[in-house]
Amino acid sequence: GAGVSQSPSNKVTEKGKDVELRCDPISGHTALYWYRQSLGQGLEFLIYFQGNSAPDKSGLPSDRFSAERTGGSVSTLTIQRTQQEDSAVYLCASSLVVFNYGYTFGSGTRLTVV
Amino acid sequence: ELKVEQNPLFLSMQEGKNYTIYCNYSTTSDRLYWYRQDPGKSLESLFVLLSNGAVKQEGRLMASLDTKARLSTLHITAAVHDLSATYFCAVPRLYISNFGNEKLTFGTGTRLTIIP
Repeated sequence: GAGVSQSPSNKVTEKGKDVELRCDPISGHTALYWYRQSLGQGLEFLIYFQGNSAPDKSGLPSDRFSAERTGGSVSTLTIQRTQQEDSAVYLCASSLVVFNYGYTFGSGTRLTVV
Repeated sequence: ELKVEQNPLFLSMQEGKNYTIYCNYSTTSDRLYWYRQDPGKSLESLFVLLSNGAVKQEGRLMASLDTKARLSTLHITAAVHDLSATYFCAVPRLYISNFGNEKLTFGTGTRLTIIP
């Protein structure tokens, strides 16, 4: 597609439920990133995928968070047993494997845990 | 650990005035990015600064980079209402094992409000 696509755009879930957030990067972009943005805050790095390399999971806040990327394209971020502090906007970005390119961001998924 | 600090965090200014947003970072980097975020929207790339002394301008916005001082500035000239947004700087760190890719560390953002 022309841009980074994320779904759903909004998700309201009950505390303790599992949620899955989806990211479809720009075609040809081999690098994919997940960030989290809490209300009024900056961006917090979560996880990074590049091709077939092992992902950098150093930003995942707890073992309730996991992510996978199938076929080097679509990625799913899963949050198990959601807590209220998980409420945030989850942003996905993709990038070319080209030095100095920067990222293209999706429009995000707003997650609200009630 | 790379730290990126922006100031001010909040800026309210009148239309027609000039102002500068500052971005300081803690470790060596020869590149820096600026993004804009409108309320409820995603991030839009504004500038990619690729070397020491780089200066880029787009309309009423001008960004510069001083890698020796570890400082970037975003200057707003004769502000207009549609520049109201949150502005983020971001500093990359290379993944040595993944040539060409990098992880961005973002500043906390500067929320800019232009008052008519």
